[in-house]
Amino acid sequence: QKEVEQNSGPLSVPEGAIASLNCTYSDRGSQSFFWYRQYSGKSPELIMSIYSNGDKEDGRFTAQLNKASQYVSLLIRDSQPSDSATYLCAVRHGGGTSYGKLTFGQGTILTVHP
Amino acid sequence: NAGVTQTPKFRILKIGQSMTLQCAQDMNHNYMYWYRQDPGMGLKLIYYSVGAGITDKGEVPNGYNVSRSTTEDFPLRLELAAPSQTSVYFCASTGTADSNQPQHFGDGTRLSIL
Repeated sequence: QKEVEQNSGPLSVPEGAIASLNCTYSDRGSQSFFWYRQYSGKSPELIMSIYSNGDKEDGRFTAQLNKASQYVSLLIRDSQPSDSATYLCAVRHGGGTSYGKLTFGQGTILTVHP
Repeated sequence: NAGVTQTPKFRILKIGQSMTLQCAQDMNHNYMYWYRQDPGMGLKLIYYSVGAGITDKGEVPNGYNVSRSTTEDFPLRLELAAPSQTSVYFCASTGTADSNQPQHFGDGTRLSIL
């Protein structure tokens, strides 16, 4: 059973602070990792993807991957109220029979308060 | 750019009724997926397809059927609706199973079984 676990929420941070979202996965063959943002009543929206160990930065977002520890995280700097949403961690498994399938974590609700 | 289009957006069914959730994409993607998302949870894979005529079960296929007669369309069929199938259903697609290709999501169908 391939599992993806996210840190339990909800997470509440003040405006301007750094929000840290964490995700662990069980399948060591996993190759690609995605963070989706989902506003209430909307569909998931891709915000970050990462494939190699280390950090990847895009604007206020930084994804961190540590395959040895089977851990991926998302940091949001200078958090804004508009960042308030559910963040979903998704893992794509490697191998020819994965067919691009994703396994999602349960999501972490982030609230940024003014 | 239409992307992934799902219809209907909302539907209420009575127990035992049947219906088809429609999904169409205009990106010539081979890989398509159906997910369900229960309140406060992540997405769970119901069925997926790797091309016209080829489908396979995901994590939670019971009570559902799919077909893929064309590259563009991937309908999901509920034969005997049950209250446990009350959920939000998302269709997604991707062009290849390569690790760095994200999935693109439709806007979802909110289904209530009463």
